[in-house]
Amino acid sequence: DGGITQSPKYLFRKEGQNVTLSCEQNLNHDAMYWYRQDPGQGLRLIYYSQIVNDFQKGDIAEGYSVSREKKESFPLTVTSAQKNPTAFYLCASSIAGRGFLETQYFGPGTRLLVL
Amino acid sequence: AQSVSQHNHHVILSEAASLELGCNYSYGGTVNLFWYVQYPGQHLQLLLKYFSGDPLVKGIKGFEAEFIKSKFSFNLRKPSVQWSDTAEYFCALLEGSQGNLIFGKGTKLSVKP
Repeated sequence: DGGITQSPKYLFRKEGQNVTLSCEQNLNHDAMYWYRQDPGQGLRLIYYSQIVNDFQKGDIAEGYSVSREKKESFPLTVTSAQKNPTAFYLCASSIAGRGFLETQYFGPGTRLLVL
Repeated sequence: AQSVSQHNHHVILSEAASLELGCNYSYGGTVNLFWYVQYPGQHLQLLLKYFSGDPLVKGIKGFEAEFIKSKFSFNLRKPSVQWSDTAEYFCALLEGSQGNLIFGKGTKLSVKP
């Protein structure tokens, strides 16, 4: 079954702690994305990657970091510098990257809560 | 700057009522337009998309949308809604120069049985 998986479904973070959200896709897509969804705000782009070992900041990258060591995987780390991390985080992928006008497909999301 | 506006934050309808959700965008270049749906507890799914050609686009589950370039609009329609259509609907624009996918703030649809 092809698709995008995100884990965990729920994640709790303590003050000052870094946490990492997992995103894996088996669609053989080159491009992957991380969005943050807040109530009434729509989705906002955090980071994106068009190819392995390369990634770019989106609109709200501060307090977040990513890596893209494998085509299938694009983990997002929410660092202690992110002062308001409580949100729903969505990972997406597309066949090719930005500029190629490709449809993005989304994973099921991870809800991050601060203790 | 590019933007997407969805007029209604929350729409409440009875079953069998007709639906139209508004979406306007601000961008003068080539656009691709999408409607995504997020059912309660589920992930964001593609409902339909417009890339080029016929401005009336048909999607899954009986939804359709019409791209009106002169009005910068891409409204979503369904002639008769069902309780199972209860969800949040997002309009999104993929702009041509940088490939940014820009989302509206979403419209929650509640359908009363």
